[in-house]
Amino acid sequence: SQTIHQWPATLVQPVGSPLSLECTVEGTSNPNLYWYRQAAGRGLQLLFYSIGIDQISSEVPQNLSASRPQDRQFILSSKKLLLSDSGFYLCAWTTGQGSYEQYFGPGTRLTVT
Amino acid sequence: DAKTTQPNSMESNEEEPVHLPCNHSTISGTDYIHWYRQLPSQGPEYVIHGLTSNVNNRMASLAIAEDRKSSTLILHRATLRDAAVYYCILRGLIQGAQKLVFGQGTRLTINP
Repeated sequence: SQTIHQWPATLVQPVGSPLSLECTVEGTSNPNLYWYRQAAGRGLQLLFYSIGIDQISSEVPQNLSASRPQDRQFILSSKKLLLSDSGFYLCAWTTGQGSYEQYFGPGTRLTVT
Repeated sequence: DAKTTQPNSMESNEEEPVHLPCNHSTISGTDYIHWYRQLPSQGPEYVIHGLTSNVNNRMASLAIAEDRKSSTLILHRATLRDAAVYYCILRGLIQGAQKLVFGQGTRLTINP
């Protein structure tokens, strides 16, 4: 069966520090991968999506970047965190264009202080 | 992106049916209607989806208006575990990837 992992589960980082969040999917190949952010009390905002290795698309301009070094690995990064980067970060995957269900990971709660 | 409108919150009692409305007056002919729910501190969970016809699965039913400008998610017998934020979303596709635009959703409270 397929599973999606995210780590760390929680993170507290000072303003100006770098960030690296990792997401891996098991039990499937060639997934489409997604990064979302949820600010406190808000809905989810799609940040990046990827349809293949090194194929990353950004949905909103921001202080973050994403990379996909392997088929089932998706990394969210920042060189210098801002206070506004705080939130709940969720990784998700789908099997392809015909897929209807998007599967979400457990999330990482990031607090920038 | 096509938008959806949902009530901010709803309340119901345990073991009673719940009808969660959603308006999507700008829906296009190829937009699928998806529902997800999110429990506190967890990622969203797929509930159901449909295009034109009403749909049923083990979790819920989806009733879609004939003009597709609104839909209703139906929980037939609510339990305390159904307390969550419910999102009505119009699924788009970009380069083969799904595009889900989440709004504020409806926060459902279930009273024991």
